[in-house]
Amino acid sequence: IAGITQAPTSQILAAGRRMTLRCTQDMRHNAMYWYRQDLGLGLRLIHYSNTAGTTGKGEVPDGYSVSRANTDDFPLTLASAVPSQTSVYFCASSDLDSGYNEQFFGPGTRLTVL
Amino acid sequence: GQNIDQPTEMTATEGAIVQINCTYQTSGFNGLFWYQQHAGEAPTFLSYNVLDGLEEKGRFSSFLSRSKGYSYLLLKELQMKDSASYLCAVKDSNYQLIWGAGTKLIIKP
Repeated sequence: IAGITQAPTSQILAAGRRMTLRCTQDMRHNAMYWYRQDLGLGLRLIHYSNTAGTTGKGEVPDGYSVSRANTDDFPLTLASAVPSQTSVYFCASSDLDSGYNEQFFGPGTRLTVL
Repeated sequence: GQNIDQPTEMTATEGAIVQINCTYQTSGFNGLFWYQQHAGEAPTFLSYNVLDGLEEKGRFSSFLSRSKGYSYLLLKELQMKDSASYLCAVKDSNYQLIWGAGTKLIIKP
């Protein structure tokens, strides 16, 4: 693989259920990010990690948790899904030590919470 | 608060030129990005400006004025495949990206 992969591509989930969105990158980037994208709004940062073993809260962290056990993987967990978490979720990564630090995005996960 | 403003939608004709504006008010400034996002796909990097002036990359150019909190993306010789949303994002004092809602560009033949 090259770049960032996300799984699943889409999911319909009952409210109250637990769900983990997976994200894996093979570019050895130190930083990774989770965003949600809703119609009419810009990408909003949920959580980020600047290096393996550390994480930070973004603009909209409530209801979500992340872990960064290694460089490549950055899963996002919804402990108890609610309908307002219906959105498209994008994982991204960047190399904070070189270039513009531009972020590279995965293909996204479309999540519907009923 | 932090704010990025872009027009919601623009329409242009194939072969023409279009300018998409972005104004920002953020806590600190460490660069401005433009991304392209086709419907149903992920955003992809187009350009980066950190100093005032124009950066040219083929048919696409991006301009920055830090004193005015203003940038634009200029697309020349428009092609149908340029129909997409264009996202402006500013890297703030915490080196996090603050994103505009995006400008949907519709290209007509």
